[in-house]
Amino acid sequence: AQTVTQSQPEMSVQEAETVTLSCTYDTSENNYYLFWYKQPPSRQMILVIRQEAYKQQNATENRFSVNFQKAAKSFSLKISDSQLGDTAMYFCAFMTTDSWGKLQFGAGTQVVVTP
Amino acid sequence: EADIYQTPRYLVIGTGKKITLECSQTMGHDKMYWYQQDPGMELHLIHYSYGVNSTEKGDLSSESTVSRIRTEHFPLTLESARPSHTSQYLCASSEEKGGRNEKLFFGSGTQLSVL
Repeated sequence: AQTVTQSQPEMSVQEAETVTLSCTYDTSENNYYLFWYKQPPSRQMILVIRQEAYKQQNATENRFSVNFQKAAKSFSLKISDSQLGDTAMYFCAFMTTDSWGKLQFGAGTQVVVTP
Repeated sequence: EADIYQTPRYLVIGTGKKITLECSQTMGHDKMYWYQQDPGMELHLIHYSYGVNSTEKGDLSSESTVSRIRTEHFPLTLESARPSHTSQYLCASSEEKGGRNEKLFFGSGTQLSVL
């Protein structure tokens, strides 16, 4: 069974600053996908970024980037130039290649961006 | 924007009532999912469907049931609600694309409170 651990329940960051969210996971699989999802208050959960385990290059999406360390089973998210609209709960998630759509989520990290 | 809708957004009911949480998507996705999310906790998959007349139980045991009579509709039913069913229920859907570019679209969720 896979587990996903997010050790930071809440993080606060000032506008324009950078914040890094940690995520570790445990699996015996070699091929899998990792995701960061964002859930703004009272709004839909949306995909922020995804990483394929067989790719060594870290994924980036505009101000969002990941640091994927496969051997350490670590998948951190960096939010650069934080904006007020980044305030949300962020979930790290894991999916094996034979269980499409069946995600294993972490407990989430609440990010609060302050002016 | 994801075209997946959940109703009601909030529901407060008494113990023993039968309830149905609605989920509809207009994207023609074959795959649909129900996740349960307790406050400050991980999301857990409770049901999924890979197409019409196909339903499976997820990783977390649930007393709820689902049906998939039409592609666009994936309702979740609790025959007799109890306070332990109080939670947020998130519906999601995804395309059948062989996995590599698979992306989950989430609804806004139903916050259920059973008194």
